[in-house]
Amino acid sequence: DTGVSQNPRHKITKRGQNVTFRCDPISEHNRLYWYRQTLGQGPEFLTYFQNEAQLEKSRLLSDRFSAERPKGSFSTLEIQRTEQGDSAMYLCASSLAGTTDGYTFGSGTRLTVV
Amino acid sequence: AQTVTQSQPEMSVQEAETVTLSCTYDTSESDYYLFWYKQPPSRQMILVIRQEAYKQQNATENRFSVNFQKAAKSFSLKISDSQLGDAAMYFCAYRSNAGKSTFGDGTTLTVKP
Repeated sequence: DTGVSQNPRHKITKRGQNVTFRCDPISEHNRLYWYRQTLGQGPEFLTYFQNEAQLEKSRLLSDRFSAERPKGSFSTLEIQRTEQGDSAMYLCASSLAGTTDGYTFGSGTRLTVV
Repeated sequence: AQTVTQSQPEMSVQEAETVTLSCTYDTSESDYYLFWYKQPPSRQMILVIRQEAYKQQNATENRFSVNFQKAAKSFSLKISDSQLGDAAMYFCAYRSNAGKSTFGDGTTLTVKP
C-alpha cells in the first residue's frame, strides 16, 4: 500500500468555477476524513465517512461543498462556485474504525482561487 | 464541542537539548484519545505519539514522550535529544470515540545547530 493519495497536488482556478479533488485512502481503512488547513492554522474538520456513509459534516461547511465516497473506496470533494476564501490546503486522512490508531494523512491538495 | 489549545505559536531548541510543547483541551467526555502530529515544511503530516485517556501511564516513543494530566486536561509533548530533523509544526489533536479529531493551531519548532 502506498499510503493515502490525493490528486491533484495543486489546483489554480478562477473564482466561480467548480473544482473536484480526489482521495484514495489506505485500502484497509474504512474511515475517511476531509480537513481544510490555512496557513499557520491547524486542520479544520469538514466531513468524514465510514465506508460509504457520510457520518458527519461540519456546520461551518456551506452548501457549495459536497463530498462522496462511492462503494466505500476513494472519495471526492467538490467545491462549487469557488470563492477566494476557499483558497487553502485540503487534507484527506484515513483510519480504521475500532482502533486507537491515529490518522494517516495524504499530502494534500493546495487550492488557489484567483 | 471539544477545543484544543496550543499556547506556544513558536518554540526553539538547541540541537541535543530537550523541549516541551504544551497542549490543553476541553471536553466533557471521559473516554477519548490524544495525539501529537508532526508536519514538516511542505510535507505531509505524520503521527508522532498517541495516548489513550483511560491509561494512566504516559506514552513514550523513542525520544518523544508525553505528560498526560487528565484532571488538568493537559497533554504536553517532550522531545529529548532534539535533532535538526525534528524541526516542524507540531499539532495536538483530540479524538472522540466517534472518530473525528479536533486539532490545535500548532507550534512551530525550530532546532538550532
